[in-house]
Amino acid sequence: EAGVTQFPSHSVIEKGQTVTLRCDPISGHDNLYWYRRVMGKEIKFLLHFVKESKQDESGMPNNRFLAERTGGTYSTLKVQPAELEDSGVYFCPTAGGYEQYFGPGTRLTVT
Amino acid sequence: AQKVTQAQTEISVVEKEDVTLDCVYETRDTTYYLFWYKQPPSGELVFLIRRNSFDEQNEISGRYSWNFQKSTSSFNFTITASQVVDSAVYFCALSGRQGGSEKLVFGKGTKLTVNP
Repeated sequence: EAGVTQFPSHSVIEKGQTVTLRCDPISGHDNLYWYRRVMGKEIKFLLHFVKESKQDESGMPNNRFLAERTGGTYSTLKVQPAELEDSGVYFCPTAGGYEQYFGPGTRLTVT
Repeated sequence: AQKVTQAQTEISVVEKEDVTLDCVYETRDTTYYLFWYKQPPSGELVFLIRRNSFDEQNEISGRYSWNFQKSTSSFNFTITASQVVDSAVYFCALSGRQGGSEKLVFGKGTKLTVNP
């Protein structure tokens, strides 16, 4: 069974640019989450999809972040425009049951 | 509000030593779930254990064991006879109600280094 895959693995962009992170879930997993870890801090929840619907987006930091999940399959997280404080590792675990399966994440560096 | 505290930022031990990673949590939920994840150098988070708030039995899985104590709101993780491959960052996490459909609240993680 293929795991969660995220693209790109590492992205370096300049402040003010736009970046789109992609997450391909484990097949059949209806629940898809986005989290991020800013350097030296906790891994923090951003939002939760159940299929294509946003179940909880209380963790989204501001309106520069836009998440979508087309047809309940893959998901994208767009940051526009990126700021320095957006640097960190972005994870998108998926779950069929209670266990959230994490991939290696996308490391975003904003310079 | 839910909160998880991992007071140990970094721990360094020599192979074959036992090591305990501490986790203290705060929640107002009566039903909640506690988790431990391991993050090896490759970066992904690997699920280790899930424990619900009504099950205070300690669990042992090979060299790993977990001590859940509601009285002290702690869910500590012990590695017996540590090995170099245990070197990783370990995260304790908490979720409310249904663990699979609720967001996880993580501690800051404890970086464990096991030296040969």
